Amino acid sequence: KAGVTQTPRYLIKTRGQQVTLSCSPISGHRSVSWYQQTPGQGLQFLFEYFSETQRNKGNFPGRFSGRQFSNSRSEMNVSTLELGDSALYLCASSTGTGLNSGANVLTFGAGSRLTVL
Amino acid sequence: AQKITQTQPGMFVQEKEAVTLDCTYDTSDPSYGLFWYKQPSSGEMIFLIYQGSYDQQNATEGRYSLNFQKARKSANLVISASQLGDSAMYFCAMRDGGGAQKLVFGQGTRLTINP
Repeated sequence: KAGVTQTPRYLIKTRGQQVTLSCSPISGHRSVSWYQQTPGQGLQFLFEYFSETQRNKGNFPGRFSGRQFSNSRSEMNVSTLELGDSALYLCASSTGTGLNSGANVLTFGAGSRLTVL
Repeated sequence: AQKITQTQPGMFVQEKEAVTLDCTYDTSDPSYGLFWYKQPSSGEMIFLIYQGSYDQQNATEGRYSLNFQKARKSANLVISASQLGDSAMYFCAMRDGGGAQKLVFGQGTRLTINP
């Protein structure tokens, strides 16, 4: 079956602009979570959506937001971009239920690499 | 707060040798899950193996096995018979039993397999 699809794969923006990233989860997966990966901070959790509701949120400023649609596809938005927002943004999907079951594994997409100039 | 520690920034191993990547964790939650992911230079995180805190046996998936020592709070990844394609970043991660899909990651270990 198809994996997790993230678009766009690469993008370049300038400071002050905003950006929207998209994530299409594996068919049947209702949970989508987002992570930011930078060389300095490593992998950090942004937020998770389950059945169109934000279930958990990481420690990021309000410029970072997301949403999930009824078909489980998710978008994240970063407004007023800063140089420090340059990162690889990874999306992961899972069934979101039966936590701490071996069957409930997060499958990641290839990421969207954002460069802010 | 949960924490994952990977103390080996980089490792170099000869092809066909076994390699152990270290991971220690800290949590006060009795229910948690431990993951290992591989990240090649392409960027995609590839799931390797999972261990639940209540699992009685160490997890195995092909050439990957997880040496789970609960009392010591360690979850080391063992790769048997390493291959050139195993060269990548490896991340240990933990999910607690709080009801959401939040993973806490370690800083990773860069593994290089030499021919």
